Amino acid sequence: DAGITQSPRYKITETGRQVTLMCHQTWSHSYMFWYRQDLGHGLRLIYYSAAADITDKGEVPDGYVVSRSKTENFPLTLESATRSQTSVYFCASMEVRDNQNAEAFFGQGTRLTVV
Amino acid sequence: GDSVTQMEGPVTLSEEAFLTINCTYTATGYPSLFWYVQYPGEGLQLLLKATKADDKGSNKGFEATYRKETTSFHLEKGSVQVSDSAVYFCALILSGGYNKLIFGAGTRLAVHP
Repeated sequence: DAGITQSPRYKITETGRQVTLMCHQTWSHSYMFWYRQDLGHGLRLIYYSAAADITDKGEVPDGYVVSRSKTENFPLTLESATRSQTSVYFCASMEVRDNQNAEAFFGQGTRLTVV
Repeated sequence: GDSVTQMEGPVTLSEEAFLTINCTYTATGYPSLFWYVQYPGEGLQLLLKATKADDKGSNKGFEATYRKETTSFHLEKGSVQVSDSAVYFCALILSGGYNKLIFGAGTRLAVHP
């Protein structure tokens, strides 16, 4: 099925463990994004990628690592999870045409709890 | 830096009331502007967009006009329904080079019968 999928949908992990959240899109969109959603903060950009092997930091990158070896995948890794990283994580993909017209498509989200 | 500011919620309305959710932005350059909606338990989906000054985006009875002079993109609907209850996010894309998609904090709308 075409679309953007995140896995897992729910994850509980312990402080200090490494966790990887997966994101896969089937459209071959150039741009992909990772956001975290927390009450009172809305959506905050963690990392984004303009193409395979091109990534850049967003507003809140500390404690996270990303890679993009293939256009369709954009995994987000928490190298040593902390309680403050308990959040709902959203992945999005987007294609930009004419340098203007764009629409981002979002995954269903991953609810991560760090205990 | 570049940012989006939305009115704080929650906004609580009765069915058929008029809705306005304010959004202003700060950006270097000439962004494209968007409204996204998030229904409970779901990801975000595009509601409407505008790519240049004075453009009006519209969808499902919602409208927003790109006002460059006031750097605003306020969302309006003439008559809300219970099914419009959701969180609404204003967003911008900074064009050129890296197309970074930046969101406001979101405004929760609750519509009661």
